[in-house]
Amino acid sequence: ELKVEQNPLFLSMQEGKNYTIYCNYSTTSDRLYWYRQDPGKSLESLFVLLSNGAVKQEGRLMASLDTKARLSTLHITAAVHDLSATYFCAVDPLTSGTYKYIFGTGTRLKVLA
Amino acid sequence: SAVISQKPSRDICQRGTSLTIQCQVDSQVTMMFWYRQQPGQSLTLIATANQGSEATYESGFVIDKFPISRPNLTFSTLTVSNMSPEDSSIYLCSVVVVYEQYFGPGTRLTVT
Repeated sequence: ELKVEQNPLFLSMQEGKNYTIYCNYSTTSDRLYWYRQDPGKSLESLFVLLSNGAVKQEGRLMASLDTKARLSTLHITAAVHDLSATYFCAVDPLTSGTYKYIFGTGTRLKVLA
Repeated sequence: SAVISQKPSRDICQRGTSLTIQCQVDSQVTMMFWYRQQPGQSLTLIATANQGSEATYESGFVIDKFPISRPNLTFSTLTVSNMSPEDSSIYLCSVVVVYEQYFGPGTRLTVT
């Protein structure tokens, strides 16, 4: 069974600090996704990583994918309060075009002013 | 890209009743997905809805409890039947377009 684990589950950090969220998965895949969810809202796509070594950046967030280590990271640079949200990674297990993405446990980020 | 709408956005229902959630996409898609997100939890896939065939349910979800319709390539419904408080969740529909997954705004269901 494919497992997708994130750590930490909860993260409280000061504004201006840097931190990394980790997403480990248990099966071969070269497609990994990061989403943001604000309280009471739906999911917003942040990054789509489609190959080993893929790196994408948007503002203060940068995501990378290492398919050999089965690891993706979401790095936060100089955090600001607006980044407070829950972040999910999701993996496509590549089961013959079914697109049944498996979601990680989520990381609840709180950025303190 | 894809823009998805859902109705209702929220509802409070009595135990034992049923609720049908509608999902509309602004483009034609082959597969539509229904997820459940229980309070404070991650997303769990309920089923995949394909136009013109029976929905495919994930382990732990059955058609009698969560019947799905897919009458055309832009619309689907999910019914939550014989509800209990444990069904209180956010229900999300989604589609995949060129490897990217898009989500509807969700339906927040509370069962009393």
